[in-house]
Amino acid sequence: KNQVEQSPQSLIILEGKNCTLQCNYTVSPFSNLRWYKQDTGRGPVSLTIMTFSENTKSNGRYTATLDADTKQSSLHITASQLSDSASYICVVGLSGGYQKVTFGTGTKLQVIP
Amino acid sequence: EAEVAQSPRYKITEKSQAVAFWCDPISGHATLYWYRQILGQGPELLVQFQDESVVDDSQLPKDRFSAERLKGVDSTLKIQPAELGDSAMYLCASSHLGGGGPRADQYFGPGTRLLVL
Repeated sequence: KNQVEQSPQSLIILEGKNCTLQCNYTVSPFSNLRWYKQDTGRGPVSLTIMTFSENTKSNGRYTATLDADTKQSSLHITASQLSDSASYICVVGLSGGYQKVTFGTGTKLQVIP
Repeated sequence: EAEVAQSPRYKITEKSQAVAFWCDPISGHATLYWYRQILGQGPELLVQFQDESVVDDSQLPKDRFSAERLKGVDSTLKIQPAELGDSAMYLCASSHLGGGGPRADQYFGPGTRLLVL
């Protein structure tokens, strides 16, 4: 069964600190992995997208890594800001036709002053 | 920057009533998705359109839910009758290409939050 598991489920960090969110997947055939940021009460917004051949991608203070061999990804947030408080969702896309993407349940991050 | 539009943003209804949500995707996006997201969980796909055709509605509760995209542009999702368990956020997304490929990145609307009393 295709699954995407994220950890931790929730996280509280101090403003200015770094943090790393984890995503493990058992999705096949793998095409790409995306990280989305979802503010409370809003739709998800794409942060990064990585294909099989990419092992890192950055978007400002967000850096995503991908290890396709171990089927793991991480999202590292540097110098966190209060506006980083949101849920971060890992999404894995399958290759071929109209096959589904599989969503993780998300990590809820709270950045406190 | 083009965005996916959804309305209404919030809807409160009583159980057994009918509700309808509207979505206008980014211009030129052939693929449109409707998702349901329960608080604290990831989005769950309800239906996927390619132009005006349904390509995946395997998770759509067809006894009460219906969706259409008559002209292959905007779309309507209907629930009749609504049940207490339907309370959730309903998200619409669109993409230029369908499927899970790297060029099929989805752009989400702000969602409609439904509360069924």
